[in-house]
Amino acid sequence: DVKVTQSSRYLVKRTGEKVFLECVQDMDHENMFWYRQDPGLGLRLIYFSYDVKMKEKGDIPEGYSVSREKKERFSLILESASTNQTSMYLCASSLGTPPEAFFGQGTRLTVV
Amino acid sequence: EDKVVQSPLSLVVHEGDTVTLNCSYEVTNFRSLLWYKQEKKAPTFLFMLTSSGIEKKSGRLSSILDKKELSSILNITATQTGDSAIYLCAVGGGTSYGKLTFGQGTILTVHP
Repeated sequence: DVKVTQSSRYLVKRTGEKVFLECVQDMDHENMFWYRQDPGLGLRLIYFSYDVKMKEKGDIPEGYSVSREKKERFSLILESASTNQTSMYLCASSLGTPPEAFFGQGTRLTVV
Repeated sequence: EDKVVQSPLSLVVHEGDTVTLNCSYEVTNFRSLLWYKQEKKAPTFLFMLTSSGIEKKSGRLSSILDKKELSSILNITATQTGDSAIYLCAVGGGTSYGKLTFGQGTILTVHP
């Protein structure tokens, strides 16, 4: 059974903290994604990676960075958390062909 | 910039009603359109439509791709309370292979 696991379901962080969100997939997928989901805005792509150490900016990369040192793991980093980064963060992975993406359970991050 | 727009943003119906959800897109190098259902947790895959497979059906759910109009519809017949969810449309394509761009989602509420 396909599995994408995000390290935390809920996180509360303080403004200015450096925050790490971790995602692991066990399907040997090439592509991995980080999205944030906000009411009325749907899923917006932050970054995606199509191979180890390869990354590409999505639609809203400002304030975020990513790391992919191993194929199965994709990390999202908030360099200095701000309150406008309070959101649900979803990680996903896919083979690329077919493009069907499998999602993790999400991390609800609150920045206070 | 790739764009996916869903309508309506929310919909309230009663059990037994039929609903139609809409998705329109502007994406360079269109490859596929995917529908997902999201209940409280991770989005789960419903259908994928491509140039070679423009109509899909599974039980009470069906979907059609109109490549001329750059749109898709998702139909749900004889709705049940278990159909209450956010329905997400995503389009694969754009300048980066494997990238999925999502719409805002349609929140469907089915009352008994």
